[in-house]
Amino acid sequence: GDSVTQMEGPVTLSEEAFLTINCTYTATGYPSLFWYVQYPGEGLQLLLKATKADDKGSNKGFEATYRKETTSFHLEKGSVQVSDSAVYFCALYSGGGADGLTFGKGTHLIIQP
Amino acid sequence: NAGVTQTPKFQVLKTGQSMTLQCAQDMNHEYMSWYRQDPGMGLRLIHYSVGAGITDQGEVPNGYNVSRSTTEDFPLRLLSAAPSQTSVYFCASSTLRGWRIEAFFGQGTRLTVV
Repeated sequence: GDSVTQMEGPVTLSEEAFLTINCTYTATGYPSLFWYVQYPGEGLQLLLKATKADDKGSNKGFEATYRKETTSFHLEKGSVQVSDSAVYFCALYSGGGADGLTFGKGTHLIIQP
Repeated sequence: NAGVTQTPKFQVLKTGQSMTLQCAQDMNHEYMSWYRQDPGMGLRLIHYSVGAGITDQGEVPNGYNVSRSTTEDFPLRLLSAAPSQTSVYFCASSTLRGWRIEAFFGQGTRLTVV
């Protein structure tokens, strides 16, 4: 079955540091890939997505490139801010119906001033 | 545009009690889902619906019932709450375009069963 593996947290960085959160997947078919972000006390929000190989999703300074050859979708940001502190979930969708997204376990990111 | 609305935000139940978590969307999406979020487990799919009148089980359906009488609403029912159902629950509303999916989530319901 489908699965998503992402680095365990918490990840603690200083403000303005470079961020990478690794995400690898296994899937049937040709999945769409997503990063969701959950700020404290809030629901999940779509951060970015990519639907085919070599696509780069980007939003709010975050980027992730769909790498089919390495089955990866790593999240990067060049200079993090305290406001980026949140839980980040990598997810994939590979079905032809709506049987849900497959999520990674989430990575808790803490940015210190 | 309200998007996906979940109620309540917080709930405490005693073991054996029943309750319904409400979820409504105003985007005319065909597809709706319920997930639970537990520490170290990520989000796991409970039940989903591909349209009014159609529901199916996800990864962790036991102890939960759903129905989809309208496109807008997708309530999740706990018939006899158990402490193992203490979790944060998220409702999602999705639209499919070919193989592409756009999923929008509600704010979540934090449920504690004592």
